[in-house]
Parts: sequence; structure tokens; C-alpha cells
Amino acid sequence: EIVMTQSPATLSVSPGERATLSCRASQSVSSNLAWYQQKPGQAPRLLIYGASTRATDIPARFSGSGSGTEFTLSISSLQSEDFAVYYCQQYNNWPPYTFGQGTKLEIK
Amino acid sequence: QVQLVQSGAEVKKPGASVKVSCKASGYTFTAYYMHWVRQAPGQGLEWMGWINPNSGGTNYAQRFQGRVTMTRDRSITTAHMELSRLRSDDTAVYYCARGWEYASSSCVSWGQGTLVTVSS
Repeated sequence: EIVMTQSPATLSVSPGERATLSCRASQSVSSNLAWYQQKPGQAPRLLIYGASTRATDIPARFSGSGSGTEFTLSISSLQSEDFAVYYCQQYNNWPPYTFGQGTKLEIK
Repeated sequence: QVQLVQSGAEVKKPGASVKVSCKASGYTFTAYYMHWVRQAPGQGLEWMGWINPNSGGTNYAQRFQGRVTMTRDRSITTAHMELSRLRSDDTAVYYCARGWEYASSSCVSWGQGTLVTVSS
């Protein structure tokens, strides 16, 4: 089973600044990686798939990069609605599809 | 637009079974894989398995093998997930999530979630 490790667990950033979230896979997942955003009491929302492709209606301030074992989600110029928990997920080697433990992005 | 509407909250006793439904609309139900993901209170996301609504083929996470059954009813574009021999640590929100036309894919659209509480 591929283990996905996200860092940091919590990230404090001021509105308007840039946030960079990391995700590492225990073995290569090629570019078969997705990022999700989850707000309290809501279902997750797909942000990025294929490591770098924005999902439908996702603002351009969200960008993904990486391949193999190291991945990054960047959010430029943070808006108030961006403060949430973010999860990465690999879908290269399954079962199971595995998620990271999440990064909580909070207002500084 | 794609909509996944799940059945309501359930309270079950340990050892019982629960069946969660997911009504799909706004797309061709048989063309896209359906995943099931759960989230225990205050915890992260855990993938349980998928069903191919066209063929009925399934693929389950090993830890749920023997306890989970995923089915679909094409006539009413609904997917079901049944979990048996419930334990207290099965208390979680269960989500259905539509994937893509192929198995190796992300979860594009999600249902609203169904809270299953297991308590004596």
C-alpha cells in the first residue's frame, strides 16, 4: 500500500499571501495524484487531478506540480474562502487508493 | 449538472448492517466509476472501493473485504454500499463520489455524505 504523507499538518498564512502544501508518496505514483479541499461540514471538492490539471471551475490561483513521489499544491494570494483542509490522493497503485492525512490551512 | 444525493443518517447497533444509497443524475450513470469514501469524526479520508455501474464489477480495499458490498441499480441510476458486522469504529460519514470513465482516476463529484453511527 502506498503511503501518502502531507506536510505541514497545519499551515498558518495571512490572506493575500501564498501557501505551499506538500505531499510525498512512499513510492512513485507517476502523475496520478489529486488534491481536494474540504471545509467543515462539507464534502471534499476536487481541485487538481493528474498532479497539475485544475478541475472544472477551480480558480487559477490554485496550481499543482510534481511527479513521481514529490508533489506541491500552491495557492497564490489566499482568499478567505481558501482556509480549509487539503488532502492529496494517489490513484496510480490500487487497491487501495490512498489519501494523505491532510493539511489544515488556517488564517494567520 | 452532476448531482449525487445520498440517503439519510443511520444509527445502528454493533453487529448490524447498514446500506447507504447514492442517487445519481445529470450524467450517464453507466459511463463513470463510482467510489465510496468514508471519514471518521475528526479524521481523514479513507477509500473503501469502487463499482463499475455498467458491468457491476467491483474493487474493494482489502480491509473491507468480506464486509462491504457495492451494488447498483441502473434502472434508477442509484449506487448502494452495504457494510456488515458493524463496529463502533465504523462510525463515520460515508460519501459516494463519481470518478471518470476509467478506474485509475480521481473523485470528481461527491455526494453530501451519510452519517452512520454505530452505538449500543
